Amino acid sequence: TQLLEQSPQFLSIQEGENLTVYCNSSSVFSSLQWYRQEPGEGPVLLVTVVTGGEVKKLKRLTFQFGDARKDSSLHITAAQPGDTGLYLCASNDYKLSFGAGTTVTVRA
Amino acid sequence: ETGVTQSPTHLIKTRGQQVTLRCSSQSGHNTVSWYQQALGQGPQFIFQYYREEENGRGNFPPRFSGLQFPNYSSELNVNALELDDSALYLCASRHRDSFTDTQYFGPGTRLTVL
Repeated sequence: TQLLEQSPQFLSIQEGENLTVYCNSSSVFSSLQWYRQEPGEGPVLLVTVVTGGEVKKLKRLTFQFGDARKDSSLHITAAQPGDTGLYLCASNDYKLSFGAGTTVTVRA
Repeated sequence: ETGVTQSPTHLIKTRGQQVTLRCSSQSGHNTVSWYQQALGQGPQFIFQYYREEENGRGNFPPRFSGLQFPNYSSELNVNALELDDSALYLCASRHRDSFTDTQYFGPGTRLTVL
């Protein structure tokens, strides 16, 4: 089972600020997915990255996959209260192996 | 809305009891997975079913068992409940083709074991 480390564990910022969360593994990802989970809900897929060095954008969210495919980052520009949630990365094999997540709180 | 539903929403049991959790997957998704999410943690893979057969299992004891039915519904059964079984239980239906591999999660069942 691939072990994924996410940092920071908690992040609290003011509306309009930028933030970055990280996901790292000691082994290579075949592919990596980012999810957001809101209280009382299941995780919702944001993006899948497969190719080393890949950058994907989803409105104000930018996802990067490291060249060696062992790390990834999620950057949010001009965060809004609606971005509040638990951000999870997961390696995608026949099963999903999740990190512990980063809890993001955006204050109005 | 992911099209995946779970019941019940919340459940309280006592140690030693048995529990059955239910999931209704998206039509056409013939793979369903179950995950356990403890407070403050990411989901942990319990097992996966494909066409009504278990085809992958995480590090969970045999008292965790499951069933998948032809109508895209499934069950997670847990026997001899322990306090540490208190968690959010998530099911996910999986769609995979040449281009995508996506799991759609239900809202979960919050199980409390007293």
